[in-house]
Amino acid sequence: NAGVTQTPKFQVLKTGQSMTLQCAQDMNHEYMSWYRQDPGMGLRLIHYSVGAGITDQGEVPNGYNVSRSTTEDFPLRLLSAAPSQTSVYFCASSPGTGAPNEKLFFGSGTQLSVL
Amino acid sequence: AQSVTQLGSHVSVSEGALVLLRCNYSSSVPPYLFWYVQYPNQGLQLLLKYTTGATLVKGINGFEAEFKKSETSFHLTKPSAHMSDAAEYFCAVRPVGARGSTLGRLYFGRGTQLTVWP
Repeated sequence: NAGVTQTPKFQVLKTGQSMTLQCAQDMNHEYMSWYRQDPGMGLRLIHYSVGAGITDQGEVPNGYNVSRSTTEDFPLRLLSAAPSQTSVYFCASSPGTGAPNEKLFFGSGTQLSVL
Repeated sequence: AQSVTQLGSHVSVSEGALVLLRCNYSSSVPPYLFWYVQYPNQGLQLLLKYTTGATLVKGINGFEAEFKKSETSFHLTKPSAHMSDAAEYFCAVRPVGARGSTLGRLYFGRGTQLTVWP
């Protein structure tokens, strides 16, 4: 029962470096999303996808790219890391639309520090 | 634009006391409403949700919430707090548009940290 798997769990970057946060789910969920969590700010949606090949922006997309080439994977790319991107990042997935499917399954998070 | 307000960033109760965590939303159309819980160093877990139907919703671990359209509220309650309830709680909304849904745009409140004293 892997669920939603995020790697790495911790990462330290220097300003200007790029990296990819990995997210994979084994539940055949259509919907996947990335959130960042900052103290006192709750969770803010970065990007999301409603299926392979389809992505859209959330509330705070600047500085991040995503792609969805398969149902299982939804990587988040930081193109040029900035200290403002220091945060805890969560990937989440959901089966799809319809009231019974309205439930997000979260990964355990990636703690990112940008120096 | 969607807005979710959780009143009180920190709530402290004694073990056995009533837990009340407040959530208000702003939306012209009643959205889908959720409460999620986050234990330390973990991701979020769904406690309960309201989509349609009965406005009093029961969730896991003895929690329940009531959707009140007239008050645009979805407060979370538990009659008797337990030490294991100590966690951060997030209210969230998903807009339901005129053409069906806007799947993907789940908006979270800023969270309420619940402390339970022995």
